[in-house]
Amino acid sequence: QSVLTQPPSVSAAPGQKVTISCSGTSSNIGSNYVAWYQQLPGTAPKLLIYDNNKRPSGVPDRFSVSKSGTSATLDITGLQTGDEADYYCGTWDASLTVVVFGGGTKLTVL
Amino acid sequence: EVQLLESGGGLVQPGGSLRLTCAASGFTFSSYWMHWVRQAPGKGLVWVSRINADGSTTNYADSVKGRFTSSRDNAKNTLYLQMNNVRAEDTAVYYCTRESKIGSESDYWGQGTLVTVSS
Repeated sequence: QSVLTQPPSVSAAPGQKVTISCSGTSSNIGSNYVAWYQQLPGTAPKLLIYDNNKRPSGVPDRFSVSKSGTSATLDITGLQTGDEADYYCGTWDASLTVVVFGGGTKLTVL
Repeated sequence: EVQLLESGGGLVQPGGSLRLTCAASGFTFSSYWMHWVRQAPGKGLVWVSRINADGSTTNYADSVKGRFTSSRDNAKNTLYLQMNNVRAEDTAVYYCTRESKIGSESDYWGQGTLVTVSS
């Protein structure tokens, strides 16, 4: 059971938009920025977005995030087949004093 | 170029010990907090531990507290995870990660090393 809650899977057609949610509590998402990670099949995770919509070099602006209260959302627009991956949200939990992750969401581009 | 290279994984019996190593290069290792994150086969990411830049402060997930110890040698640019009294549920790929300067996120990940706990 993960501290942060994500849907197990989402799907959409190429070119469409998909939204992945991440729900937490006041001690994690409610008081910290959420990071999102992308894990392509058979590879290590990589940082996708962090802080207030900051993207590491090479990550296109098709990926964006928003946060409201104790929930965060990752939006991916203009879906491409290469976006098929597992996506994880993560942040610091000040009450538990640990890093917490969501259970991951598998994105399928139909 | 930032590189993190884990090693030391393998097959270990329940109750046994193993030490993982993460060799860092391409950045000033002694300036960064470092983390261990694991992923059981077919499962999601689970945070294991973190250690501050000079090695004086560590945090652990409850599932490994008292059994695992994270340490570092800044002179050798190396991070360690000593795993004692391992259990079957510790079976996973273990990733070494660098914490960014912005927050608690991991901005670089190693390729991982697989630990299998089985008799």
